[in-house]
Amino acid sequence: DGGITQSPKYLFRKEGQNVTLSCEQNLNHDAMYWYRQDPGQGLRLIYYSQIVNDFQKGDIAEGYSVSREKKESFPLTVTSAQKNPTAFYLCASIKTSGRAGDTQYFGPGTRLTVL
Amino acid sequence: GENVEQHPSTLSVQEGDSAVIKCTYSDSASNYFPWYKQELGKGPQLIIDIRSNVGEKKDQRIAVTLNKTAKHFSLHITETQPEDSAVYFCAASISNFGNEKLTFGTGTRLTIIP
Repeated sequence: DGGITQSPKYLFRKEGQNVTLSCEQNLNHDAMYWYRQDPGQGLRLIYYSQIVNDFQKGDIAEGYSVSREKKESFPLTVTSAQKNPTAFYLCASIKTSGRAGDTQYFGPGTRLTVL
Repeated sequence: GENVEQHPSTLSVQEGDSAVIKCTYSDSASNYFPWYKQELGKGPQLIIDIRSNVGEKKDQRIAVTLNKTAKHFSLHITETQPEDSAVYFCAASISNFGNEKLTFGTGTRLTIIP
């Protein structure tokens, strides 16, 4: 998983609670991403950040929030506004080289279950 | 936005045979096409990628082909082994020098039959 850590591996939450998923990388990568993975739907982009203190919405940002206060950290908060939060969440990062097609490296994921 | 379709959703092959997974994309501006392998409960791992200025790329038993005219790219695995069993995802992006937004296919579950 190449220096990207996600914690916890499994997370259980009661309905109506906010929860924060951690993503840390020690690869000195510039950009970081959060994806959601559901069975049969591939990976869908939630938020991404190209530099510190800046981030953009992906395709399914509603009910989620992020921050990027440090280059190595990109936590994701799943809020109570997210209607169906049970899923596998993946964090990724890249080292932008200034050329087309920089490789995204993924963390091991966090499986969130809402009880 | 970009749309990536992947087929088949499941694939079973005898050990030693070849496996082929196909993807199509919608946006002709896409210029980067990676393939990822995901084992159960783990994050995806890049296995091979291709850029739009290349038609084919090979790495040992794995190869990827790209047909820009047809907006189609494929993953080929030869001499399959049990450890090739996993879910494989294709992806496409309009790479904009630091603005990498991948659109993924829905995945192919490959099972190698011993």
